Amino acid sequence: DAKTTQPNSMESNEEEPVHLPCNHSTISGTDYIHWYRQLPSQGPEYVIHGLTSNVNNRMASLAIAEDRKSSTLILHRATLRDAAVYYCILRFTGNQFYFGTGTSLTVIP
Amino acid sequence: DGGITQSPKYLFRKEGQNVTLSCEQNLNHDAMYWYRQDPGQGLRLIYYSQIVNDFQKGDIAEGYSVSREKKESFPLTVTSAQKNPTAFYLCASSIAGRGTEAFFGQGTRLTVV
Repeated sequence: DAKTTQPNSMESNEEEPVHLPCNHSTISGTDYIHWYRQLPSQGPEYVIHGLTSNVNNRMASLAIAEDRKSSTLILHRATLRDAAVYYCILRFTGNQFYFGTGTSLTVIP
Repeated sequence: DGGITQSPKYLFRKEGQNVTLSCEQNLNHDAMYWYRQDPGQGLRLIYYSQIVNDFQKGDIAEGYSVSREKKESFPLTVTSAQKNPTAFYLCASSIAGRGTEAFFGQGTRLTVV
């Protein structure tokens, strides 16, 4: 049973904004939404996380729907270095991180 | 420099042999995790530990074993009972609590020859 659902792949032009969607319809009230990204043959890198309110940091913004059943990771200006697989994850009771298959982002120069 | 270190980066094993993958962190994190990643797939949880001398099975624990004798160390043993051990193995650590992020090592690529 999938805990999060993401598109398999997306493309973006360089220097344009990218909106990566994630559905998590079975989220409980205390589950945090985390985003990580992974380059080939490397460990995942933390991007951002949130609970209810929208969040911003130097890498990205996280927009969380009011019912918390979906969220969107926003990269404000895509660069070639942003090409990676992006994972949307719910962090559950017991502190586990459960990863899905993620979205492979291609940035076109 | 604080971080999480996995060794070795590449590991070759003969069928029928046990092999131990190392994971060390100096971040003073309580929680540590082991994941397996197959080509084109996401990460699957093998084992996790929230405190020294305690650990729990994840979704795919069969054929693997772990120990947590020290806070900074969480070694993973891939036993001969693991039917298809060739994969990319990732270790992570975090502060306990769902509002904190995980830090990952750079992985160990295990190949059975």
